[in-house]
Amino acid sequence: EQQVQQSPASLVLQEAENAELQCSFSIFTNQVQWFYQRPGGRLVSLLYNPSGTKQSGRLTSTTVIKERRSSLHISSSQITDSGTYLCAMERGYNQGKLIFGQGTKLSIKP
Amino acid sequence: GGIITQTPKFLIGQEGQKLTLKCQQNFNHDTMYWYRQDSGKGLRLIYYSITENDLQKGDLSEGYDASREKKSSFSLTVTSAQKNEMAVFLCASRTDYEQYFGPGTRLTVL
Repeated sequence: EQQVQQSPASLVLQEAENAELQCSFSIFTNQVQWFYQRPGGRLVSLLYNPSGTKQSGRLTSTTVIKERRSSLHISSSQITDSGTYLCAMERGYNQGKLIFGQGTKLSIKP
Repeated sequence: GGIITQTPKFLIGQEGQKLTLKCQQNFNHDTMYWYRQDSGKGLRLIYYSITENDLQKGDLSEGYDASREKKSSFSLTVTSAQKNEMAVFLCASRTDYEQYFGPGTRLTVL
């Protein structure tokens, strides 16, 4: 069973459009983290958001723990936002054992 | 700020060979991780370590050994490389909540 489901699997947008990425979990968790990865690139931490809403620049994450879901909103997308976005939840308590989703591949066109 | 380095960047091995991957971090983080990233399968946890000389198995530990002799370094050994195996191995370390990743070692087995 895939414990972390991400949707959509891929998303193609025009520059300046907003992107909405979704993540749902099969079990309850108290840690959710969003990452970004370019092809062949390093996994970069975007936001740690265990609950509620958290913003960093053009990124906004909303996590609703009781509904076992988290979203990542990218406003005014740019071509350089293209890449794969991964969400991860912690399994277990406070040891950071992350379970990752399969990712959403985002492509921003000019 | 700190950094995580992984060596080598590319590793080519022969079937049955024992191969060692190295990871160093200067964040002074206690907990470190090894993940395997396969195309289409996301990231899976191989081993983690919550302190020097501690080792904990992840979901994918069979076929691997790990070593944490110093707080700053965490090594992973592929005990017997499998023919046609191709994957990226990612090392990470953790603050209280967030995980930070190294650039990865790309393994190819001939």
